[in-house]
Amino acid sequence: AQKITQTQPGMFVQEKEAVTLDCTYDTSDQSYGLFWYKQPSSGEMIFLIYQGSYDEQNATEGRYSLNFQKARKSANLVISASQLGDSAMYFCAMRVGSGDKLTFGTGTRLAVRP
Amino acid sequence: GAVVSQHPSWVICKSGTSVKIECRSLDFQATTMFWYRQFPKQSLMLMATSNEGSKATYEQGVEKDKFLINHASLTLSTLTVTSAHPEDSSFYICSARSFGGKYEQYFGPGTRLTVT
Repeated sequence: AQKITQTQPGMFVQEKEAVTLDCTYDTSDQSYGLFWYKQPSSGEMIFLIYQGSYDEQNATEGRYSLNFQKARKSANLVISASQLGDSAMYFCAMRVGSGDKLTFGTGTRLAVRP
Repeated sequence: GAVVSQHPSWVICKSGTSVKIECRSLDFQATTMFWYRQFPKQSLMLMATSNEGSKATYEQGVEKDKFLINHASLTLSTLTVTSAHPEDSSFYICSARSFGGKYEQYFGPGTRLTVT
């Protein structure tokens, strides 16, 4: 069975600073994909970044980067230069093999302070 | 980017009635759609996988007779909550993966269901 663990229920960060949201995963499959989604208070899930298990380099998308440490089974999200609009829930998710099913973590609520 | 819509965005119904929620992919064809349920301050739980032209695959513990899913076309999937009860009150979110598209799933804006 697959499992995603997000141990930080809530985080604060000062505007313009960087923040790291933790995510660890557990799977016995060698092929998998890791995702981060942002969920603002309005409810929609916004795709942020993806990392494949065979990708050699850490994924980056603008201010978002994924610190992928395969041996430690961690896929932490780093948000640089935080903005007030970054305040939201952030979910880490995993897809295993060629399947489409996503397993989500419990989420981390990020609050950006002005 | 790919857009997924849901209708209605919120609905209030009385206990015992049925409610239908639509999920549409607006600018791409989705052979597979997913239905999730999210309780307040909790994570998304996959309810079922909906495939166009075939029966949905339900996750363990999800009552298929209570949550009817129909994927009638490549752009539309519906979730019907039958004989709704207050414990069915939740946020229901659909997602879709485009045929031949990239890896990510595109999520709809969600439907908040309140059963009184």
